[in-house]
Amino acid sequence: KAGVTQTPRYLIKTRGQQVTLSCSPISGHRSVSWYQQTPGQGLQFLFEYFSETQRNKGNFPGRFSGRQFSNSRSEMNVSTLELGDSALYLCASSLLGSNTEAFFGQGTRLTVV
Amino acid sequence: EDQVTQSPEALRLQEGESSSLNCSYTVSGLRGLFWYRQDPGKGPEFLFTLYSAGEEKEKERLKATLTKKESFLHITAPKPEDSATYLCAVQAHPNDYKLSFGAGTTVTVRA
Repeated sequence: KAGVTQTPRYLIKTRGQQVTLSCSPISGHRSVSWYQQTPGQGLQFLFEYFSETQRNKGNFPGRFSGRQFSNSRSEMNVSTLELGDSALYLCASSLLGSNTEAFFGQGTRLTVV
Repeated sequence: EDQVTQSPEALRLQEGESSSLNCSYTVSGLRGLFWYRQDPGKGPEFLFTLYSAGEEKEKERLKATLTKKESFLHITAPKPEDSATYLCAVQAHPNDYKLSFGAGTTVTVRA
């Protein structure tokens, strides 16, 4: 059974640019969540999608956005990149999103220079 | 706001030296408590889910327990391959789909 796939694995962007990250969940899973991980803040919740609807959003500025497609694949976008956006971005998929195990991908390492 | 505190921050063990990691939480209605293992540069790997006080789960050298205010991850006779950061996360309110994570405990097991 294939796991959660995130692409790309590594990205280097310049301040002010925008970036799109992709996540393919485990087959059959309909919930996809996104997290930002930094050494100082740990794992912080960005947003969660279920059947193409955003059900939860964390405390991040509007520059961070996401969407989910009908096949449950998800993308997140960060516009007007700042140095502080450098982080490991993790995607997690679960069957329902609540009371069920969430499985993480390997993450996308974003470096903003 | 949900709070998850893990202790200690770091733990250095000799191979075979058993120990426990602590995860204390403050949430308004716990739906589930999750333990993950994370190796450097990789995504967290799911270990256990605990749903109610008194519940216990085991996997190889790891055993997780849950009370109304905290969870413990016991590592019995650890091996060097158990070296990793162990993360605890909680999911609260029924309609809150996020996981709130602790800062983690970094475990180093020396041969």
